Amino acid sequence: DSGVTQTPKHLITATGQRVTLRCSPRSGDLSVYWYQQSLDQGLQFLIQYYNGEERAKGNILERFSAQQFPDLHSELNLSSLELGDSALYFCASSVEQIPYEQYFGPGTRLTVT
Amino acid sequence: QQQVKQSPQSLIVQKGGISIINCAYENTAFDYFPWYQQFPGKGPALLIAIRPDVSEKKEGRFTISFNKSAKQFSLHIMDSQPGDSATYFCAASIIGNTPLVFGKGTRLSVIA
Repeated sequence: DSGVTQTPKHLITATGQRVTLRCSPRSGDLSVYWYQQSLDQGLQFLIQYYNGEERAKGNILERFSAQQFPDLHSELNLSSLELGDSALYFCASSVEQIPYEQYFGPGTRLTVT
Repeated sequence: QQQVKQSPQSLIVQKGGISIINCAYENTAFDYFPWYQQFPGKGPALLIAIRPDVSEKKEGRFTISFNKSAKQFSLHIMDSQPGDSATYFCAASIIGNTPLVFGKGTRLSVIA
């Protein structure tokens, strides 16, 4: 158990809908990262937040957005969902002193029908 | 452009054998090379990592070999066990510029 929690575990929704994925980092970790894992693209970095501020952006679509709250939990919002958005979404966290060691949560499996 | 190329895609090894997974990178600025292990239905778990100032790092049955001039690094699993059956991902990043770039993964099956 990495100490990173994600909810929900599974999510099934229809095209065009909007969903919110939630992540709580390990106790003491200030950074949160979001990744998308699909069969054809592998693990793709989406976005990073550090202590409430956006730190780095990767291959995140404009339909997707994220934020980190004062209690350090983070939410990833996916809107106007398409079939191709079906994937596993992982959150990872790291401690400030060793920012490169990232610990992953169990993921949220999103299925868009 | 794939910055980290991982091979093979899948690997079958006999119990007790050595599993070897290779990765090659392009960006010479990368200075942190971790390996992650992922079991079905779970998130990737940090297994072992190396910095480019050493050529090898060993933790139990897991060893990373690093060849800076060839821009390659590999994971060796000695005395492979059925419990090692998982998908392994190599990754790379630039410390201070934290996003990890992952290889596509290797599905390892250790058979008795």
